[in-house]
Parts: sequence; structure tokens; C-alpha cells
Amino acid sequence: KQEVTQIPAALSVPEGENLVLNCSFTDSAIYNLQWFRQDPGKGLTSLLLIQSSQREQTSGRLNASLDKSSGRSTLYIAASQPGDSATYLCAVPMNSNSGYALNFGKGTSLLVTP
Amino acid sequence: GAVVSQHPSWVICKSGTSVKIECRSLDFQATTMFWYRQFPKKSLMLMATSNEGSKATYEQGVEKDKFLINHASLTLSTLTVTSAHPEDSSFYICSARVSGTYYEQYFGPGTRLTVT
Repeated sequence: KQEVTQIPAALSVPEGENLVLNCSFTDSAIYNLQWFRQDPGKGLTSLLLIQSSQREQTSGRLNASLDKSSGRSTLYIAASQPGDSATYLCAVPMNSNSGYALNFGKGTSLLVTP
Repeated sequence: GAVVSQHPSWVICKSGTSVKIECRSLDFQATTMFWYRQFPKKSLMLMATSNEGSKATYEQGVEKDKFLINHASLTLSTLTVTSAHPEDSSFYICSARVSGTYYEQYFGPGTRLTVT
């Protein structure tokens, strides 16, 4: 069964720092990997989706990389801002038996202090 | 585009009552919808996969008689928590997959259920 792990569980950084969030998965046969942001008590906001054939995706200050062979993905946030404070989740699709529902990691809780 | 709504956004009910949560795809058709559950400070766990016009597929450990799922149209799936108990209090999030695609999903804003 696919296991998705995120490290660290929590992270606190001062404003302006660059930071890296890590995601690992046990089964490298994934179709894609997706990063989400979740604010407290809210739903999910999709940040980046990397197809299995891609190595990275960029959106603004966010850059996500994917290394299928090693079962790893990183989310790089440049010049962090207090508004970036949230929980970041990575997810990979399950198999067809579950209709390709998403299997989520436990998330990294990020706090960016002014 | 690709907006998913949930109603209600929050609900408080008494033990023993039933609660219905709606998940709608507003601007696309969704043959498949998913229901997830999230406990405080925990990640999302898949409860069931809902396919339009057929029975839902439940994950292991999820009671299908307690969590009734109906996907009656290509834009609406409902989750009914029957005879709710305090341990059913949780954040329920649905997502919808665009018909004809395999992996692109869009998430609703979630429903906070509190059972007293």
C-alpha cells in the first residue's frame, strides 16, 4: 500500500527565508503528485501538480520537484511571507480500485513570523 | 472554472439525528466524486468513492450503513451521516473528478460537523 510521508511535521521560519518541504512515497509507480495548501478550518487549495513525466513545476514563488525513482518530491518556497503560514499537503493518486482518489501525507504546518 | 461547493459549511446536531451534506460541481460534470474525512491535526482519509448512477465504494473500516452516499446526478453527491454520535464529529471534504479525465480533481471547501 502506498505510504506518503511529509517531513518536517512543523516548521517555523522568519519572514524572507527560503524553505523546503519534503514529501516521500513508497510506490514509485505514480501518475502524478500534487501539493495543496490548507488554511485552518478550510478546504484545500491546489498549488502545483506534477505529472509523472515531469521533473518540476513552478508557480510564482513556489517550485515543486519530483524524483520518481527515489520516491521524493520537494516544495520550495522562496522569500517566505506571513501569508504563507498554513499546512501544506502532498498527495498521490491511489489505484483504479479507488477511482484514483488521492492518498495524502500528514502535512507540514508552516508558520512564517514577521 | 472547476468549482466544487459543499453545503452546509458547518452543522451542529444532536446525537441520534441524521445529517446530510451536499457536494456539487458547479461548472463541470463529475462522473466520480470522493468523500474524505479529516480529524483535527490529521490528514485527509478517503471514506468512499461515489460514481454517478451506481453504488459507492467504501474504504475498509467505513460503515456504509452509517455513511450513506448517493450520487444521483453528474453534478451532485450527498453524504448522509445516520444516527450521528459525537465520534462522528469531523471535517468532511468532497472532491470531484472531471468526467473523461483520470486524475484531475477539484475539492470543496469542507463541512464541519459537530455532534453534541
